[in-house]
Amino acid sequence: DAGVIQSPRHEVTEMGQEVTLRCKPISGHDYLFWYRQTMMRGLELLIYFNNNVPIDDSGMPEDRFSAKMPNASFSTLKIQPSEPRDSAVYFCASSWGSRQGNQPQHFGDGTRLSIL
Amino acid sequence: GEDVEQSLFLSVREGDSSVINCTYTDSSSTYLYWYKQEPGAGLQLLTYIFSNMDMKQDQRLTVLLNKKDKHLSLRIADTQTGDSAIYFCAEFLYNQGGKLIFGQGTELSVKP
Repeated sequence: DAGVIQSPRHEVTEMGQEVTLRCKPISGHDYLFWYRQTMMRGLELLIYFNNNVPIDDSGMPEDRFSAKMPNASFSTLKIQPSEPRDSAVYFCASSWGSRQGNQPQHFGDGTRLSIL
Repeated sequence: GEDVEQSLFLSVREGDSSVINCTYTDSSSTYLYWYKQEPGAGLQLLTYIFSNMDMKQDQRLTVLLNKKDKHLSLRIADTQTGDSAIYFCAEFLYNQGGKLIFGQGTELSVKP
C-alpha cells in the first residue's frame, strides 16, 4: 500500500525562481493538507483541500504561494518568486473523512527546500 | 485561540520509561494524536485517543488523557535507542473544519 508520495525530496534553487512541489495522496483519501516545518515556527498548516476543493488557505503566507488540486490523485504547491525565508521542509498529508477526526492524517516524507 | 504546548526536550536511559506531556486549550477537541518524526522523515502516526476515553494502551505505548485539565501524556515503556525521535501531540478541531493543531514537538534522546 503506497503512502503519500512527494517530489522532489530535495530542491535547491536561487532566490526569485519558481518552485513547484508535488504530492500524490493515498488513493481513496478525500482530504489533502500542505504543511511547512521550520525550526523557528514548528509545523504550520498552509492549506487543505476536501474533494479537490480548497477549504482553508488562511495559513498560506502570502500571494507568492499558491496550491492546486486538479484531481483526486495530484496536488501542487507553487512559490513564485521564491525567497530565502521560504527555506523549510514542506509536507503533504492526506486522510479520509477527516471531519470526524477518527481518520488520522498520513504524511509524506517531505520536500526539503533551500532557497539561496 | 487553540494552542498545544509540549516541553522541547527529554532525555532517558535505555530500558527506562519515557513520559512525554502535552497540554491543549480547545475543549471541543474530539481526538488527540501522537505522531513520531525520525530525522529526515515525515510524521508517523503512533496512536490516538478519543476525548471520552481516559487511557489507551498499545504494546509499549500508554496514552493518558485528563480532559478536565486538558492534559495528554504518552508513556513509552522499556525505551529503546530506536525510540529517539521528535514526538508531536496534536488536537483535532471538529468545529474548525477538521484541522489538526500540532505542538512544537518533544525531542526524545535515549542514551545507552
